[in-house]
Amino acid sequence: QSVLTQSPSVSGTPGQRVTISCSDGSSSIGRNTVSWYQQLPGTAPKLLIYRNSQRPSGVPDRFSGSKSATSASLAISGLQSEDEADYYCAAWDDSLHGPVFGGGTKLTVL
Amino acid sequence: QLQLQESGPGLVKPSETLALTCTVSGASVSSRSYYWGWLRQPPGKGLEWIGSIYYSATTDSASTDYNPSLKSRVTISVDTSKNQFSLRLDSVTAADTAVYYCAGGVGATPPLYWGQGTLVTVSS
Repeated sequence: QSVLTQSPSVSGTPGQRVTISCSDGSSSIGRNTVSWYQQLPGTAPKLLIYRNSQRPSGVPDRFSGSKSATSASLAISGLQSEDEADYYCAAWDDSLHGPVFGGGTKLTVL
Repeated sequence: QLQLQESGPGLVKPSETLALTCTVSGASVSSRSYYWGWLRQPPGKGLEWIGSIYYSATTDSASTDYNPSLKSRVTISVDTSKNQFSLRLDSVTAADTAVYYCAGGVGATPPLYWGQGTLVTVSS
């Protein structure tokens, strides 16, 4: 069972805006920053967002992140077919001395 | 550009030891700026942190942290001469079948850099 909770699936149509949420039952999000990863089938996770809302070079500004006290969100605007993938949130766990992950959200572009 | 590449056997027999190596380019494994870690992802499932190794600012030796669920079977080590770090997982079972990733990060934040991953199957 994942420490961070994500909805198993979300869907949208091309051009639409979708939001993926990540909630925390152990205060990891409250104490530390959140990252988001995109995983296309058969590939390694790709960093989309770090430190709650920062985008690495090369990540389109269609992807944005935000965080409140105990939850975080990834928003994808102008949805495209190539955005169809699994999305994972992650935060550092101070007791584990390592990151904990959500169970992943499968995004389907209809 | 920091890059990581896993290498090692793709098939391990039950009860034996899984051994993987990660070669780092673009940074030194002895840098005090990064931690180096291993994660895994069983087929069709989510991501699990295995453990990490890092050099603190105050010592010349490497320190490790392991996921408590695997701690009794895991060893992570570093070879500075080859700029590599390694994973050993003892007494494997079919439940250890997964894609194994090496990764690098900074501070108390999730990994910034990932290897491409390598599938390890535990089977006789």
